[in-house]
Amino acid sequence: DIQLTQSPSFLSASVGDRVTITCRASQGISSYLAWYQQKPGKAPQLLIYAASTLQSGVPSRFSGSVSGTEFTLTISSLQPEDFGTYYCQQLNTYPITFGGGTKVEIK
Amino acid sequence: EVQLVESGGGLVQPGGSLRLSCVVSGFTFSDHYMDWVRQAPGKGLEWVGRIRNKANSYTTEYAASVKGRFTISRDDSKTSLYLQMNSLNTEDTAVYYCAGAGGDFRHFDYWGQGTLITVSS
Repeated sequence: DIQLTQSPSFLSASVGDRVTITCRASQGISSYLAWYQQKPGKAPQLLIYAASTLQSGVPSRFSGSVSGTEFTLTISSLQPEDFGTYYCQQLNTYPITFGGGTKVEIK
Repeated sequence: EVQLVESGGGLVQPGGSLRLSCVVSGFTFSDHYMDWVRQAPGKGLEWVGRIRNKANSYTTEYAASVKGRFTISRDDSKTSLYLQMNSLNTEDTAVYYCAGAGGDFRHFDYWGQGTLITVSS
């Protein structure tokens, strides 16, 4: 199975900060990586797919990039509504797997 | 408006069975692959399995943890997805989400609100 290692597992940042979350795949997954945001008690919501394509309706402060097997989600200017847990997901190979999550707290 | 509404959750004893349903509206269900994802209390997301569309013969994939115990099916005429769960154990306790994957089927566009399954004696 392909392992996805997310870092950090927790971060606390202030409104306006630039935030970066990393997801490292244990082997090549092409660009078949998606990012989701989940708020407490709610279903996940798609933010980014194909490593860097912004889902319709998602604010442009969210962006994704890839270098080899390292994927990055960046929030250019953190907003109060961006709290929650962020997950990466690979869909290159079965079984589909998720990263362990990064909990984002607003200071 | 896109809606995915899961039902069928509840309390079940170890070794028991349960069938979840997910009724979909607002997108072309028949074109989409459909997935089940679960989340144990306080834990991360775990993919359970997938069923492809008619064009891909409704074939299925499963996580190793549920293979042989869980079965995914769909009824395109009812825009409904199902998860038959047998031989349940306490490790199956989780919120179960249905999700729809369109386009290249490489991301989950749509998610249901989830239904809680508790396996306990």
